[in-house]
Amino acid sequence: AQSVTQLDSQVPVFEEAPVELRCNYSSSVSVYLFWYVQYPNQGLQLLLKYLSGSTLVKGINGFEAEFNKSQTSFHLRKPSVHISDTAEYFCAVTVLYKLSFGAGTTVTVRA
Amino acid sequence: EAGVTQFPSHSVIEKGQTVTLRCDPISGHDNLYWYRRVMGKEIKFLLHFVKESKQDESGMPNNRFLAERTGGTYSTLKVQPAELEDSGVYFCASSHSRGSSGNTIYFGEGSWLTVV
Repeated sequence: AQSVTQLDSQVPVFEEAPVELRCNYSSSVSVYLFWYVQYPNQGLQLLLKYLSGSTLVKGINGFEAEFNKSQTSFHLRKPSVHISDTAEYFCAVTVLYKLSFGAGTTVTVRA
Repeated sequence: EAGVTQFPSHSVIEKGQTVTLRCDPISGHDNLYWYRRVMGKEIKFLLHFVKESKQDESGMPNNRFLAERTGGTYSTLKVQPAELEDSGVYFCASSHSRGSSGNTIYFGEGSWLTVV
């Protein structure tokens, strides 16, 4: 079985500062890794995904994530956040079409 | 192209009543999923359809929940009778079958259910 751990439940950050959201996964088989974002009062939107190839994945809105197989991690980063990045972020893994989500990290960007 | 659409967006019902949630997947997507998030907890898988067939319903919490996908198009999720602990947001999602399970799963905006 696979599982996902998001190490931070809340991340406050100032505007234009960098942010890193940590995600670790466990799985006995190869997985595909995803980051989704939920803006206030909206649904889930895909930020980026890792399937294979380059371990550095670039997504929408300036986000990127790095897959580290030895550390079983898939941390999400953005070098400079905006107020509009305030949202909840979910790391997820999929095996055989089923997504398993982490508990979510709420990012609050302050001016 | 229209995304995954869900109806209703919000619903408030009394304990013991019935609620039916509807999901229209992206056109051409054979895979349809239901997930839910209750009380700020993790988003949990409920079930997976491939066309009209239930591929995996291991996440359905009990027999008060019934999902259907007649004709392999839209899907409904019925909760009967609803209990207080069923409150939460129910997400529908879809993906196409071509390729691998790394295909992007697209989510709707959710149906927010409150049972009082």
